[in-house]
Amino acid sequence: EEYLLESGGGLAQPGGSLRLSCAASGFSFSEYAMSWVRQTPGKGLEWVSGISDVETRTYYAGSVKGRFTISRDNSKKMLHLQMSGLRAEDTAVYYCVTGLGTEGDAFDIWGQGTRVIVSS
Amino acid sequence: DIVMTQSPLSLPVTPGEPASISCRSSQSLLHSSGYNYLHWYLQKPGQSPQLLIFLGSDRASGVPDRFSGSGSGTDFTLKISRVEAEDVGIYYCKQALQTPPTFGPGTKVEIK
Repeated sequence: EEYLLESGGGLAQPGGSLRLSCAASGFSFSEYAMSWVRQTPGKGLEWVSGISDVETRTYYAGSVKGRFTISRDNSKKMLHLQMSGLRAEDTAVYYCVTGLGTEGDAFDIWGQGTRVIVSS
Repeated sequence: DIVMTQSPLSLPVTPGEPASISCRSSQSLLHSSGYNYLHWYLQKPGQSPQLLIFLGSDRASGVPDRFSGSGSGTDFTLKISRVEAEDVGIYYCKQALQTPPTFGPGTKVEIK
């Protein structure tokens, strides 16, 4: 069964850092582009960042560009999101998903999400 | 960014009755390929979102045929032919034409 499992969420102070990870299983991870999507009560669902399958081209939402870094380790079937310069508005549930979400691409598989709270 | 809107935002439904959700985009989602780059997702209570309809009208694997997607360009519709209790949740449309991919605000479907 295809599965994504996020970890690394928690409480961080404004200006602080967190590293989210996502473990993939049940599918050929290296053949899929991947993204992070976050959900807040106020702003709904928001695509945060994406990374291509092999060439590892990276893409970022304007709201996180320069603060977040997406990466992947295909040998370990892992996706990461390094978050720095955290702000209160980054508080959200972060989902790991397959796909970039553009060029017709759908987010086929979703993880269960990991909660990030940015507060002093 | 492409702005996605949905209506209604709340939809009380009666089991066995049909239901319909509208989604509109600020730019045409009709790609030169002939496909509409519009997807529908359903987030059931307490769960992650799941893909329901892709490319405007194609049902994802395992999705019951009571769900159908239609529309082209900037106007799209998700229809449920006969609502079942398990269909409650929040329905989101999402454009897949441009970066960043953007979602609609969601339509909350609940049983009357």
